Amino acid sequence: DGGITQSPKYLFRKEGQNVTLSCEQNLNHDAMYWYRQDPGQGLRLIYYSQIVNDFQKGDIAEGYSVSREKKESFPLTVTSAQKNPTAFYLCASSTGQEYTGELFFGEGSRLTVL
Amino acid sequence: GNSVTQMEGPVTLSEEAFLTINCTYTATGYPSLFWYVQYPGEGLQLLLKATKADDKGSNKGFEATYRKETTSFHLEKGSVQVSDSAVYFCALRSGATNKLIFGTGTLLAVQP
Repeated sequence: DGGITQSPKYLFRKEGQNVTLSCEQNLNHDAMYWYRQDPGQGLRLIYYSQIVNDFQKGDIAEGYSVSREKKESFPLTVTSAQKNPTAFYLCASSTGQEYTGELFFGEGSRLTVL
Repeated sequence: GNSVTQMEGPVTLSEEAFLTINCTYTATGYPSLFWYVQYPGEGLQLLLKATKADDKGSNKGFEATYRKETTSFHLEKGSVQVSDSAVYFCALRSGATNKLIFGTGTLLAVQP
């Protein structure tokens, strides 16, 4: 089945450690996105990529990094510079070219800093 | 800048009750508007959308009408079911990009 796979589903990290969240899609979509979800704040865009080897900062990129070496993969690294990393992280993709506005989401990764 | 404002939840209803979740927006130009739904433990799914003024999006018994004069896109359903319990997000897209701006989400709890 086509879709977006995020892993791990749950992740625990000690302060000062970098962690990488995986996002893979087999929908042949050009665009991919990372959102952060916090209670009462909705979804906020961290980074997005419209095409391979290119990505742009979203609204809250500080303390995060991404790469887009392959069309189907868009990993997110939460670095030790991110002051409040405990959150639910959602990866999404879209065709990118038709600007339909429809995003397809993974099931999310919940990161907890101990 | 562009923004979306949703009514705060939780909204608690009995089964078969009428649902309205308010959503208003601020945007330059002519945005497209969306409702996404997030069931417990899952990612978001597109519920419905409208791309121009007076359009009505509909799906699974839910409806929303794009009202430019009131900058609103309220979600309605005539008779909710327990299975509709979820978080509902209003969102907008402005310009030639698929970047979406989301509201804060409204939790709907339907009791049998």
